[in-house]
Amino acid sequence: GENVEQHPSTLSVQEGDSAVIKCTYSDSASNYFPWYKQELGKGPQLIIDIRSNVGEKKDQRIAVTLNKTAKHFSLHITETQPEDSAVYFCAAIVPAGEKLTFGTGTRLTIIP
Amino acid sequence: DGGITQSPKYLFRKEGQNVTLSCEQNLNHDAMYWYRQDPGQGLRLIYYSQIVNDFQKGDIAEGYSVSREKKESFPLTVTSAQKNPTAFYLCASSPRLAGVGTDTQYFGPGTRLTVL
Repeated sequence: GENVEQHPSTLSVQEGDSAVIKCTYSDSASNYFPWYKQELGKGPQLIIDIRSNVGEKKDQRIAVTLNKTAKHFSLHITETQPEDSAVYFCAAIVPAGEKLTFGTGTRLTIIP
Repeated sequence: DGGITQSPKYLFRKEGQNVTLSCEQNLNHDAMYWYRQDPGQGLRLIYYSQIVNDFQKGDIAEGYSVSREKKESFPLTVTSAQKNPTAFYLCASSPRLAGVGTDTQYFGPGTRLTVL
């Protein structure tokens, strides 16, 4: 089955700097890759996703890139703000799959 | 106002008691999921259901049971057989698309269960 590895497990960046979180997946057939943000005590919230037919997607300060050859995808957050502090999860799923496979999470801390 | 609701937000249980966590969605999604999250940890899949009256075990189903009698409801029962039930429980739902399978999952706010 699919296996998703996520790095780093913790990340601290100065406010205003960029943050990058990387995930690798094992099943080359995977075609959908969402990213979730989880604030303390709350459920994860979808922040951006990408499908395998595109290499990059942006939404304001957030972007996701996909490298199908290397089987990895990354979350990029620019101009970080204190409210970006949270745990971020990546995930992947194969076509006709029944469930997402999640990474282990990255705790991002923005230092004021 | 569409979404996923979980109740209660906080739940306390005495050791040896069964307890049922509620999950309701009005998104008309076919698929629903239950995850367990321990402090500082990731998401572990307990049970999932792709369609009414059908469900499958996830990675950590022992000590839990579910039912899916209605499309919008997927309650989770934590039984006394679950040895370490104290955790944060998350419900999610997802549309099922023909030829695609399940798609984006949307999560509820979670229920924090504490066993006293």
